Order: sequence, then C-alpha cells, then structure tokens
Amino acid sequence: AQKITQTQPGMFVQEKEAVTLDCTYDTSDPSYGLFWYKQPSSGEMIFLIYQGSYDQQNATEGRYSLNFQKARKSANLVISASQLGDSAMYFCAMREWGGGSNYKLTFGKGTLLTVNP
Amino acid sequence: KAGVTQTPRYLIKTRGQQVTLSCSPISGHRSVSWYQQTPGQGLQFLFEYFSETQRNKGNFPGRFSGRQFSNSRSEMNVSTLELGDSALYLCASSADRDNYGYTFGSGTRLTVV
Repeated sequence: AQKITQTQPGMFVQEKEAVTLDCTYDTSDPSYGLFWYKQPSSGEMIFLIYQGSYDQQNATEGRYSLNFQKARKSANLVISASQLGDSAMYFCAMREWGGGSNYKLTFGKGTLLTVNP
Repeated sequence: KAGVTQTPRYLIKTRGQQVTLSCSPISGHRSVSWYQQTPGQGLQFLFEYFSETQRNKGNFPGRFSGRQFSNSRSEMNVSTLELGDSALYLCASSADRDNYGYTFGSGTRLTVV
C-alpha cells in the first residue's frame, strides 16, 4: 500500500488565488513528520513546511500553511495568494521515527501546479 | 552558508560503464541521504549515512553503493549501468542525528545511453 498519496497529478490556479494540494498518508507509527517540498524545473527540492504528528497547531510558513487532520490522515498544503513563481512540482513526504523505517523520507508522486496570469 | 553541493550536474554514460556521484553536505551536517527520481517510479530512497556509517538502505540492487567520508562528504557509485538507471539523483543532508530536517542539493542528472 502506498504510504503517501497525492491524488492530483496536476492543478491550475489563477495568480493571487489560494490553492490546496492534497496529501493523505498511511502509517501505524505514532511518531512521524510530514514535509512538503517544491521542485522547480531546475530539479532542486526546496523545503516548504513541516508538521509533526504531536504538533497541536497547524504549521504555517509565510504563504504556506498545512491543514493537518490527524484522524483522517491528511496533510494538505494551502498556498495563499499564488504567484507565477509558485509553478512547480509539489511533493508531500513522511518520515517515521519508530520501527525499521528510520532515516528516510517516503514521497508521494507529486502534484504539478501551474499558476496562470 | 553554502548549501548541499552535488557534482557533476549532468552526466552521460554508456551501458555497462560505472559512475560515481558526489555530494558535499552543508557544513556541520553529518547525515547524508541519497534518492533516485524517475518519471515512472518517482522519488525512491537509496541509502543514508551518518558519521560514515550506513544506517539504512533502500530496495536497490547491489550495483548501487555508497560511502561517506570523515568530512561528511558522500559518494554513490553505480556499476554496470543500465538504461533504467537514467534518473535525477538527489542528495540531502541533515544536521541532527534523528534527521528532523533535510536540505536537498540540485541533483545530478544521469543519462545512460
């Protein structure tokens, strides 16, 4: 079974509008972290935001916020006021701190976001 | 401060050859991880090193190997290259033992012909 599922292969948004990128995850480990990365065409993975499984508040970083619904195992990324430079691939990833899955990130397949002027 | 540096950026090799990719982590970071990214399989974990010890290895054949030096720089080697090894290879470094945060490099794009 996939550990990280991103159901939107592609998304379009108008400049200055908000957009939500979906991510659901599967784990039995009570201690885990969820990451969102942006990958422009240059290839570099740029860290956007992190949410720990024990964090009580939803994470926010500037225009990025994470809508964390632990019971539903979802960690959606919300980008407010989209900019043309936000056009890129976005990956959701999980790190589990228990058991034998340590020391690695498991990634979803990604969502290609296109921001239209 | 300098980010994660991967060299070379681009590489073209012939089937059957071997290749070595290099990753210099952020100064002070002791953990280095490697990932392979392909259109078909997405991002897959290769291995992770901390203080010269491999702590975790992904599900890749033995042709893929790596090592980490005392200065935390890491190399990965792929022997007997196959066409399917064409990919973007990404390296990430982390400051802490438990890897609460990862910083990625720009990757090495390997093409096998």
